[in-house]
Amino acid sequence: SQQGEEDPQALSIQEGENATMNCSYKTSINNLQWYRQNSGRGLVHLILIRSNEREKHSGRLRVTLDTSKKSSSLLITASRAADTASYFCATDAKGTSGSRLTFGEGTQLTVNP
Amino acid sequence: NAGVTQTPKFRVLKTGQSMTLLCAQDMNHEYMYWYRQDPGMGLRLIHYSVGEGTTAKGEVPDGYNVSRLKKQNFLLGLESAAPSQTSVYFCASSMGGAQYFGPGTRLTVL
Repeated sequence: SQQGEEDPQALSIQEGENATMNCSYKTSINNLQWYRQNSGRGLVHLILIRSNEREKHSGRLRVTLDTSKKSSSLLITASRAADTASYFCATDAKGTSGSRLTFGEGTQLTVNP
Repeated sequence: NAGVTQTPKFRVLKTGQSMTLLCAQDMNHEYMYWYRQDPGMGLRLIHYSVGEGTTAKGEVPDGYNVSRLKKQNFLLGLESAAPSQTSVYFCASSMGGAQYFGPGTRLTVL
């Protein structure tokens, strides 16, 4: 079963606009991570936010985490055509071994030039 | 550093054939993982390893076996391939936080 569920499934915006993707999950977590996947490629780690953190920034990325609502959001500011990709959230659930991640089904982001 | 590498990149099998996918990492990571990704879906964990000589089942282990004889290598085997195993397979490694992924192996079972 998928622990994380992304919303929306697909998002199309113009270059320069901001893109927001949301992720909901079901169980308590150690951390939540966001990954990007360009078509036909492997996943690339973007950012990790721990369960005791509420917000984290990395360049044009901002991630928030609300453990009371079991949800997270990824904001990409001033988007570029090169940001076109699928974005996945993944959760490291409490009580599991091996730092296993459970991935959502992803949001397909298209940034139009 | 090559990071995480996977061989082969593509493979076509007939139903019932066997094959082994190789994953190698040069980052001295303890943890390694095998996932499959089907069209329009996220990744599902097949098997994982928390160290040399150890393996454990993930979410969808049936039809697959793994071995981790050396810390840097993690092998995924299909003993008798089925069309339902047509997928893209990704290997990843980590030290317990971010996972680093290989480029994937596209497998088709006819």
